[in-house]
Amino acid sequence: GAVVSQHPSRVICKSGTSVKIECRSLDFQATTMFWYRQFPKKSLMLMATSNEGSKATYEQGVEKDKFLINHASLTLSTLTVTSAHPEDSSFYICSAKALSSYEQYFGPGTRLTVT
Amino acid sequence: AQSVTQLGSHVSVSEGALVLLRCNYSSSVPPYLFWYVQYPNQGLQLLLKYTSAATLVKGINGFEAEFKKSETSFHLTKPSAHMSDAAEYFCVFRGNQFYFGTGTSLTVIP
Repeated sequence: GAVVSQHPSRVICKSGTSVKIECRSLDFQATTMFWYRQFPKKSLMLMATSNEGSKATYEQGVEKDKFLINHASLTLSTLTVTSAHPEDSSFYICSAKALSSYEQYFGPGTRLTVT
Repeated sequence: AQSVTQLGSHVSVSEGALVLLRCNYSSSVPPYLFWYVQYPNQGLQLLLKYTSAATLVKGINGFEAEFKKSETSFHLTKPSAHMSDAAEYFCVFRGNQFYFGTGTSLTVIP
């Protein structure tokens, strides 16, 4: 149980375009989802926390207009990188948490490359 | 402030040798602590977790960790390293969010 999927696993896009990454909890209801960014050989950096049906809470220094997060249902959250630039290239990982749980379950990650 | 510190960004061990990855935490409240493993270009897999029950926690793949309040430590160990253990390991503290350590890259030498 407690499986989280991400789609796509890899995406290449041109500079200036937008790309959407999906995060799904497959076998539980995720009241809270988290989006992380990981630079090469670095730890995970929390970008934002989203609760189902409400606006995401962004960490300091993360541009909310650039990284649009939607958590419209208890099993799906999306991260849209708008007007992507090469410096947005990174590994993006989501995680999900059920209401009654203290544990986060991580997705397999999405490798974004902006050319 | 709540945080975790992983000592040693890189650890190399010979196959069959003891694995010891160090983690110290800072917290004013009883902590929830986790160890995760990340293989290249993959997400995080939970190895084990401490939730204030037994201080010696056994996880998957032969790993275990001991919570020592007096030392504010939660070091990860495995008696005998296997080639497949080569990966990045993260110690994580759960406060109002997950606080990740900087990670330790484990290399296993044949």
